[in-house]
Amino acid sequence: DTGVSQDPRHKITKRGQNVTFRCDPISEHNRLYWYRQTLGQGPEFLTYFQNEAQLEKSRLLSDRFSAERPKGSFSTLEIQRTEQGDSAMYLCASSLAVLTSSYPSVIPEAFFGQGTRLTVV
Amino acid sequence: AQTVTQSQPEMSVQEAETVTLSCTYDTSESDYYLFWYKQPPSRQMILVIRQEAYKQQNATENRFSVNFQKAAKSFSLKISDSQLGDAAMYFCAYRSDYGGSQGNLIFGKGTKLSVKP
Repeated sequence: DTGVSQDPRHKITKRGQNVTFRCDPISEHNRLYWYRQTLGQGPEFLTYFQNEAQLEKSRLLSDRFSAERPKGSFSTLEIQRTEQGDSAMYLCASSLAVLTSSYPSVIPEAFFGQGTRLTVV
Repeated sequence: AQTVTQSQPEMSVQEAETVTLSCTYDTSESDYYLFWYKQPPSRQMILVIRQEAYKQQNATENRFSVNFQKAAKSFSLKISDSQLGDAAMYFCAYRSDYGGSQGNLIFGKGTKLSVKP
């Protein structure tokens, strides 16, 4: 399977605990995105990486959230001191940005993983 | 900032019939993409169809077609010959296409489609 994979699929944690999720993008994709999807809502952008560089963080990403992509391949999203409001589906997507002489040009399609459903009790 | 609005939280269609899902968006940009994504229960989001804003011709993918009205900022999805497997959440999404854009998607809240046998 060469699609985007996320691990774990489900995570139940107690309030105040730390959790870490992993995303493995499609191997040749250099762009990786994290989204959060709460019940009844569409996914909301959290952050993205170009290779190993984290280029943008949404205001939704509080100080308790940190994301890494150390070697430009897989990425991790850590939430410290979880709160009940963190309960959501966390989606990862990957895409390919082609570097032109002026700026990166991102292919239209983004491919999503199955998500990690976090429940904070 | 760009926004995407889906005004139909739920829709229902009889198997083999046609259904249209609505989407409107707001942007001041001229170059962008629009997408419809399908999210079946407990399964990953998959791309159904995409439309480049510079193209006047409406995109079509088998039983799925769009009605793209750029001036009205409207982007509806038509599903013909509905099948039971079409039952899912459908999300309309927008993405900027200007040089150096982040490439992230802006989603609507979704429309839950049920297909009756």
